[in-house]
Amino acid sequence: DAKTTQPNSMESNEEEPVHLPCNHSTISGTDYIHWYRQLPSQGPEYVIHGLTSNVNNRMASLAIAEDRKSSTLILHRATLRDAAVYYCILRIGIQGAQKLVFGQGTRLTINP
Amino acid sequence: EAGVAQSPRYKIIEKRQSVAFWCNPISGHATLYWYQQILGQGPKLLIQFQNNGVVDDSQLPKDRFSAERLKGVDSTLKIQPAKLEDSAVYLCASSLGRGPFFGPGTRLTVL
Repeated sequence: DAKTTQPNSMESNEEEPVHLPCNHSTISGTDYIHWYRQLPSQGPEYVIHGLTSNVNNRMASLAIAEDRKSSTLILHRATLRDAAVYYCILRIGIQGAQKLVFGQGTRLTINP
Repeated sequence: EAGVAQSPRYKIIEKRQSVAFWCNPISGHATLYWYQQILGQGPKLLIQFQNNGVVDDSQLPKDRFSAERLKGVDSTLKIQPAKLEDSAVYLCASSLGRGPFFGPGTRLTVL
């Protein structure tokens, strides 16, 4: 299965931007890049996804490298509630049989 | 819009006992997933349904785990008999195009 590589942990300060990197050098042309986050004792929460172009939503931005072998999740102004484990995931497979293969994720700590 | 519902939220059993988890996906979502998340690890896909058919169960330990999806809506995951290493959070998720969207999970402790 296609895999992603993320740092185990990162730390940032409240109200500052956070850039979470992800490498996915074995990505294929039809694989979507998804980001989820997981707060303690909760299920993973969808954050954002993209294929080739950069994407923005109310939660975050996703910057995808031109060769698609890496991407960066950007939290523009971190709050204490953004402290979570962030997973960069490739959605692989054909329509109707697509699946997410999770890695270890990055544990993000936000300092007040 | 109601989210994915799971029950029970917590379950404690002894090894060699049986246990079942229930999932009610978001209305209209054709795809349903069961994931296992061991403490400190990312979720691992156990089984994926498209409507009431199995799409992928390659990581399901079929000697002890079974799952079904009734009429393409609700789903049940069963473990019989449970082992100590089955202690984990069992997550159900569903999708229709976007997502998937996850439920809160069932935390299983096997003593």
